Amino acid sequence: DAGITQSPRYKITETGRQVTLMCHQTWSHSYMFWYRQDLGHGLRLIYYSAAADITDKGEVSDGYVVSRSKTENFPLTLESATRSQTSVYFCASSPGWADTQYFGPGTRLTVL
Amino acid sequence: AQKITQTQPGMFVQEKEAVTLDCTYDTSDPSYGLFWYKQPSSGEMIFLIYQGSYDQQNATEGRYSLNFQKARKSANLVISASQLGDSAMYFCAMREVTGNQFYFGTGTSLTVIP
Repeated sequence: DAGITQSPRYKITETGRQVTLMCHQTWSHSYMFWYRQDLGHGLRLIYYSAAADITDKGEVSDGYVVSRSKTENFPLTLESATRSQTSVYFCASSPGWADTQYFGPGTRLTVL
Repeated sequence: AQKITQTQPGMFVQEKEAVTLDCTYDTSDPSYGLFWYKQPSSGEMIFLIYQGSYDQQNATEGRYSLNFQKARKSANLVISASQLGDSAMYFCAMREVTGNQFYFGTGTSLTVIP
């Protein structure tokens, strides 16, 4: 099916472990985004990418790393997970910066 | 300072009535876009409507309209003829062109009462 998918949908990990959240889109959109959603904060931008091999920081990038070697994939890595990174993570994509973003289903991450 | 402010944590509306969800924004970027998204209890984010900062007319999409008052920096969402399926969280968001950032508000929970 065409669209944007995220995996895993649910993940439980321990403090200090490395975790990678995957995002895949089939639209060949240039832009991809990672957000986290927390109660009381809405969604906050972590990183975005304008094209393969081009990434830039969002509002809350500390503790996260991204890469984009292929247009369709945009993995998000927590190099050493902390409890404060417990959240729901959404990936999104859009054809251009000015265009509507389309969201994946989200990944619920719990860091114990 | 908050870039997007949604002052109504929760709202109730009678079925078939209209409801306005408030959103104010803060930017010095001359070019920006404003979005509204719906998040039902199932968790997905659904795009509803978009307004560009240079658009002269208010955006409309079916039962959704955006009341854009640029001087007041407000971008309220109006839902006409509310339906039970409209019960959800609603997020206002802003894209800054120059600043290359995207901001969401904290959301408004809308409950439609039969």
